[in-house]
Amino acid sequence: AQKITQTQPGMFVQEKEAVTLDCTYDTSDPSYGLFWYKQPSSGEMIFLIYQGSYDQQNATEGRYSLNFQKARKSANLVISASQLGDSAMYFCAMREGYSGGSNYKLTFGKGTLLTVNP
Amino acid sequence: NAGVTQTPKFQVLKTGQSMTLQCAQDMNHNSMYWYRQDPGMGLRLIYYSASEGTTDKGEVPNGYNVSRLNKREFSLRLESAAPSQTSVYFCASSEDWGFTYEQYFGPGTRLTVT
Repeated sequence: AQKITQTQPGMFVQEKEAVTLDCTYDTSDPSYGLFWYKQPSSGEMIFLIYQGSYDQQNATEGRYSLNFQKARKSANLVISASQLGDSAMYFCAMREGYSGGSNYKLTFGKGTLLTVNP
Repeated sequence: NAGVTQTPKFQVLKTGQSMTLQCAQDMNHNSMYWYRQDPGMGLRLIYYSASEGTTDKGEVPNGYNVSRLNKREFSLRLESAAPSQTSVYFCASSEDWGFTYEQYFGPGTRLTVT
């Protein structure tokens, strides 16, 4: 079973609108961290936001927020007021505290390609 | 403060050739990682070093070796390159070894094996 599932291969959004990128995860470990990374066409991986499994509040970083629904095992990224520069591939990732020898491995989803239209 | 740097940026190898990918970080991070990114596959962990002096296998270690030269540097070696190793390779580092620490990535090395 996949640990991280991103069901949207591609998404389109109009400039200045909000967009939600979906991510569901699978773990039996009570301790884990969820991360979102942005990969623009230039190729580098840029850290956006982090949510810990014990965090009571949803994480926010500027225009990025993470809609964390623990019972549903989802960690959706919300980008408010989209900008043309937000066009990129977005990866959801999980790092488990300890699970049968995973040793804090960071597992990535396959990504969602976001295109922001003017 | 350059963050994580990788050399080279691009490389073409013939099957059977060897090469070493270099990675260095200037953030005084304890943990370092090597990933490969293939189309439609996301990133997969090859090897990691939780702290200076230790290394361990990740998800796809076959065909690779690593050396944690010191706290700053973590190299990845392909002893006998194969076409299946054509990929983009990313080095990353994190402050420490634990699930709360985000990883910072280098710019990547695009490797083609013919």
